[in-house]
Amino acid sequence: GNSVTQMEGPVTLSEEAFLTINCTYTATGYPSLFWYVQYPGEGLQLLLKATKADDKGSNKGFEATYRKETTSFHLEKGSVQVSDSAVYFCARLNNAGNMLTFGGGTRLMVKP
Amino acid sequence: NAGVTQTPKFRILKIGQSMTLQCTQDMNHNYMYWYRQDPGMGLKLIYYSVGAGITDKGEVPNGYNVSRSTTEDFPLRLELAAPSQTSVYFCASATGTRNTEAFFGQGTRLTVV
Repeated sequence: GNSVTQMEGPVTLSEEAFLTINCTYTATGYPSLFWYVQYPGEGLQLLLKATKADDKGSNKGFEATYRKETTSFHLEKGSVQVSDSAVYFCARLNNAGNMLTFGGGTRLMVKP
Repeated sequence: NAGVTQTPKFRILKIGQSMTLQCTQDMNHNYMYWYRQDPGMGLKLIYYSVGAGITDKGEVPNGYNVSRSTTEDFPLRLELAAPSQTSVYFCASATGTRNTEAFFGQGTRLTVV
């Protein structure tokens, strides 16, 4: 089936620390992969995406590379800010394009 | 451009009551989705639609119904509210092609007491 597994939080970091949030997906076909971010009290917003193997999605200093060999799409940022505090969701879109499956979400807290 | 609009933002229901969560989008998207997000959990798909007149069950459809009479609107109906339906509900829409994102509404926080 289609599933996404991401590391559980919360992840607590100091400002300017390096961030990695792990995400793996089931390798049924060649899904498009996404990272969404949810700020407190808001809906989800797209952070970045990748649609094929070896693609790198990037936005606002965040990056993730579509790794087919390890079925992973880990989120990274070199230097986090307090304003990055949010919940991050990894997601996959099935081949038919009609079902978006989310991981459980990872809460990131960045302290000054 | 309004995007995806959900109403109401908050609602408290008594057990056994019914209600409809409204969702409308103005982007002419074919695909629309309803998700629920339980505290500390990820999103679970309730129902989805790939176009007007077409709806399909998602992961957790029991206790809910949907309709899609127009491209713009995708209401979610709770017929007999139960405490287990206390959650935050998100509506989303997408074009349906592989490399485009889903756009989410602001959510409806529902409490059943």
